[in-house]
Order: sequence, then structure tokens, then C-alpha cells
Amino acid sequence: EVQLVESGGGLIQPGGSLRLSCAASGFTVSGNYMSWVRQAPGQGLEWVSIIYDTGYTYYADSAKGRFTISRDNSKNTLSLQMSSLRAEDTAVYYCARGVRVGSGDYFPYYFDSWGQGTLVTVSS
Amino acid sequence: QTVVTQEPPFSVSPGGTVTLTCGLNSGSVSTSHYPSWYQQMPGQAPRTLIHSTNTRSPGVPDRFSGSILGNKAALTITGAQADDESDYYCMLYMTGGISLFGGGTKLTVL
Repeated sequence: EVQLVESGGGLIQPGGSLRLSCAASGFTVSGNYMSWVRQAPGQGLEWVSIIYDTGYTYYADSAKGRFTISRDNSKNTLSLQMSSLRAEDTAVYYCARGVRVGSGDYFPYYFDSWGQGTLVTVSS
Repeated sequence: QTVVTQEPPFSVSPGGTVTLTCGLNSGSVSTSHYPSWYQQMPGQAPRTLIHSTNTRSPGVPDRFSGSILGNKAALTITGAQADDESDYYCMLYMTGGISLFGGGTKLTVL
């Protein structure tokens, strides 16, 4: 059974750093697309970042330069290192597994499994 | 800046049919965007309903269907039930690894 469990959320001051983790079971993170999606309180879903099975990484403009997605194959975990945090980064952060669709040099995907999320609150 | 658009709150009667759409502020949605749809109940993680425009995820009832209608992606619920009351989000694959979610549509069944 595929399972994703996020951890690492909490209260952090503006300008601070935080590292989120997502423990995967039932599959290997290294062989899949893995992503972070966030949801601010009362708002919609926002795509944040993805790491492909090849190791290529991509970021939303809101995350570029401040967030780093990575994976630890030995621990089968996904991480999101967040720095220079702002109030607008306050959200529930979901870990999601991506499934590639399409073929050739085109790499679209969708999410087939989601964690329950971890809340990050940026406030002084 | 590219924005994925979805309807404001919507309502449907029990047993009725409703179509939610997913568009772009500039340009048309096509199958090349591989539209996917997610259902999110209050306080819960999203659940995947449809991917690649019209492929249902395992366990999703066949009253949910996806399509392209004109220049938008569409999610149709045929024979709406009370437990279909939820927020619905579409996601479009843009390019270069980037995907975008729409703002979501809150569906009420009453």
C-alpha cells in the first residue's frame, strides 16, 4: 500500500528556515516523480516543486531561490528545505507522488497519492 | 502570468448533472495539458479523480467523467450525490516540469 507521511511543520519566524520531510512506503521515491503542493488557510491548492526520477527539479516562481526539493534514497524520503520564509508561505504542505503520462521528450504528470499534510505557520 | 480559471461556487440538485470547467486566462486548454481533477473534502487531503483529460483513477465512480469542451477541460458529475459536495480542483501541465492548479470550485449538492 502506498503511504506518504509528512513531518517537520511548525511555527517559524519570518526570515527563518524549516525542513519538511515526507516518508514514503509501498514504493521507492527514487523511481517516481515526487512533489510538494501547498494550501494556504482557506485557499486553493498551489503547486510548489517537483523532483523527477531522473533527479531534475522544478519550482514555482514563489519557491524559486528559497526552497530546495531533494530526496534521500536510502531513507526513502522526500524533503523540502525552505529558507527566507514569509508570512505568505503559511500553508499546509502536502507531499504527493506524481505519475508520468505522455511519452518522448514531453514529461507531463498527475498526482495519484497524497499525504495528509503538515502545517507551516510563519509568524512573529 | 498564466492563470488557470475555474468557476465560482456552484450548486446542483441531488440526482442532477453538473459540469465544472477549467480554462486558461490566455489560450485554450487541450489534451496536451493532460488535465487532472482532484476532489478535496474539508480538512482532508485531495483525492485524485481524473487524469489525462478523461481517465478515471481506480475506485472513482463512473458518474465522474472528464473531457475537453471547447477551449476548456471539463469535469462532469452525472447523478450527483450528497457526498459529492466538495471542492474540486483542476491541474494543468504547462511545460518544463511546471504544473498549475486552478483556484477550485466549491460544489454544493442541495
